[in-house]
Amino acid sequence: GAVVSQHPSRVICKSGTSVKIECRSLDFQATTMFWYRQFPKQSLMLMATSNEGSKATYEQGVEKDKFLINHASLTLSTLTVTSAHPEDSSFYICSASSGGWGDTQYFGPGTRLTVL
Amino acid sequence: AQTVTQSQPEMSVQEAETVTLSCTYDTSESDYYLFWYKQPPSRQMILVIRQEAYKQQNATENRFSVNFQKAAKSFSLKISDSQLGDAAMYFCAYPSSGTYKYIFGTGTRLKVLA
Repeated sequence: GAVVSQHPSRVICKSGTSVKIECRSLDFQATTMFWYRQFPKQSLMLMATSNEGSKATYEQGVEKDKFLINHASLTLSTLTVTSAHPEDSSFYICSASSGGWGDTQYFGPGTRLTVL
Repeated sequence: AQTVTQSQPEMSVQEAETVTLSCTYDTSESDYYLFWYKQPPSRQMILVIRQEAYKQQNATENRFSVNFQKAAKSFSLKISDSQLGDAAMYFCAYPSSGTYKYIFGTGTRLKVLA
């Protein structure tokens, strides 16, 4: 299957700082990328959908000024958590697809964010 | 509204035995896709199997197969000859038409007993 990488895998930061997470599709062009948040023992919660070259579409309740998403190329999307606070600590997962309906989403390995 | 339901929070299976994980969904669409993903302790989501609703034949991938009952809106996953490495959370997913985003079930935790 297709490979999606995510970097960093783990990050610890101080409250008030910003953190950027990168998501890359390594062997295919990802027209659409998705960002999820997962709390312990729960399912994935979709935060936003990004299409290459367009503004991201955020799910209801997700602060777009806090979680900045950029999808500047067909292989790279970034999520920046601005002014992070302890409640932003979580596991963040990206996925990528070719963008067609029914296309498989391929997931990155996730990023564990801890805000002190 | 499109929904996905996994009614079994946790299942156990003896190594080498067979287990079936259930998933039901609700949609008014006639053509759609369904997926099963596995999330092992590493938390990497791995595609297990994909089913196209317009295909009558149930999808199969090695020891993994589905029982797709379109009229009943049921999409269960059967794991044969269970192995210790099958222990994971299993999520059923339905891509919403128009937006392409997945609607996930709440997951089933599978334990494999040696």
